[in-house]
Amino acid sequence: DIQMTQSPSTLSASVGDRVTVTCRASQSIYSWLAWYQQKPGKAPKVLIYKASNLESGVPSRFSGTGSGTEFTLTINSLQPEDFATYYCQEYYSYSRTFGQGTKVEIK
Amino acid sequence: EVQLVESGGGLIQSGRSLRLACAASGFKFDDSGMHWVRQVPGKGLEWVSGISWNSVSMAYANSVKGRFTISRDNAKNSLYLQMNRLRAEDTAFYYCAKESVSGRNSHFDHWGQGTLVTVSS
Repeated sequence: DIQMTQSPSTLSASVGDRVTVTCRASQSIYSWLAWYQQKPGKAPKVLIYKASNLESGVPSRFSGTGSGTEFTLTINSLQPEDFATYYCQEYYSYSRTFGQGTKVEIK
Repeated sequence: EVQLVESGGGLIQSGRSLRLACAASGFKFDDSGMHWVRQVPGKGLEWVSGISWNSVSMAYANSVKGRFTISRDNAKNSLYLQMNRLRAEDTAFYYCAKESVSGRNSHFDHWGQGTLVTVSS
């Protein structure tokens, strides 16, 4: 099974900051990676798919890069509504493994 | 508008069975692969099971293999998860999720709101 490792687990930041979350796959997943945002009590929402494609309706301050085994999610100019938990997900394999999540907190 | 509405969750004793349902609308259900994902309250996401648009392909996480069965009824635009021999560690919110494009390499573009399953020991 493919393992997905996210870092950091928690990130403290202020409004206006640029933040970066990293996701590492245990084997190459090419560009088959998505990023989701989840707020408390809500279902996850896709932000980025195929490593760098912005889902329709998602603000352009979100961006994704990477391929193979190393991926990053960057949020430019963090907004109050961006404080949430972020998950990466590989979809190279049918089981679509998730990373353990990164909680972005208010500093 | 795509809608996925889960139902069937609740409090159940360890060892018993429960069947979850997901009612889909707003898209061509019989063209879409579907999945179940669960989340222990306060913890991360875990993929549970998936089924192809035509029910030919099904897959399960090792943690539920042999106990859970995924199925769908395209005539009713519904997805199901039959959960047998439930354990305390199956306690979680269960979400149904739709593939963006039917097939292997597709992310989940829509999710339901989730239904909570609590297994008491």
